[in-house]
Amino acid sequence: QVQLQQWGAGLLKPSETLSLTCIVYNKSFSGYNWNWIRQTPGKGLEWIGEINDSGNTKYNPSLERRVTISADTSRNQFSLKLKSVTAADTALYYCASFHRNGNDLADCWGQGSLVTVSS
Amino acid sequence: EIVLAQSPGTLSLSPGEGATLSCRASQSVSSRLLAWYQQKPGRAPRLLIYDTSSRASGIPDRFSGSGSGTDFTLTISRLEPEDSAVYYCQHYGWSPYTYGQGTKLEIK
Repeated sequence: QVQLQQWGAGLLKPSETLSLTCIVYNKSFSGYNWNWIRQTPGKGLEWIGEINDSGNTKYNPSLERRVTISADTSRNQFSLKLKSVTAADTALYYCASFHRNGNDLADCWGQGSLVTVSS
Repeated sequence: EIVLAQSPGTLSLSPGEGATLSCRASQSVSSRLLAWYQQKPGRAPRLLIYDTSSRASGIPDRFSGSGSGTDFTLTISRLEPEDSAVYYCQHYGWSPYTYGQGTKLEIK
């Protein structure tokens, strides 16, 4: 069973770069889409982007200029970088995996990382 | 970008009753690629329904999804206290994937 564990800095100053990493346990990267999603009380759930096992990425156009999602398959990890953060980027960030096997779809989520942007 | 509007905002029902949650999309959802998630306080969302009507592994058959085009429904029958949560719909037909604002289900 896939398990995800995420970590990264929880307190940033405006203009800094947010950096989070998610490690995948009990599964290889193959056949999965690896996502980053954030949640705020005001905007709810917001999809940030994803990377698949071929290294192809998709990003939310609202964040695309500032976001990079990358993967290190040798370490079974994928990462999120969001540059030039502002208070609006304060949120609970989740990594999540989605795996489609035929007609079946399964999800797995990290525990969440609270990131606060404040001067 | 597809905007998803969920209704009602809050639903308060008693155990044993049935719940109907609605999700309306601003444009047609491709290939019925719509999901429902359940989120309890302090927890990550959990996939309940995908591809409009398929239950994720381990989800009881009290949960069912239906719909097409722009109108989708999550139905929960025989409510149990553990069903108290916020429920979100999400489309994943094309980027950007978007979520509804959620329906809070309270079990009295």
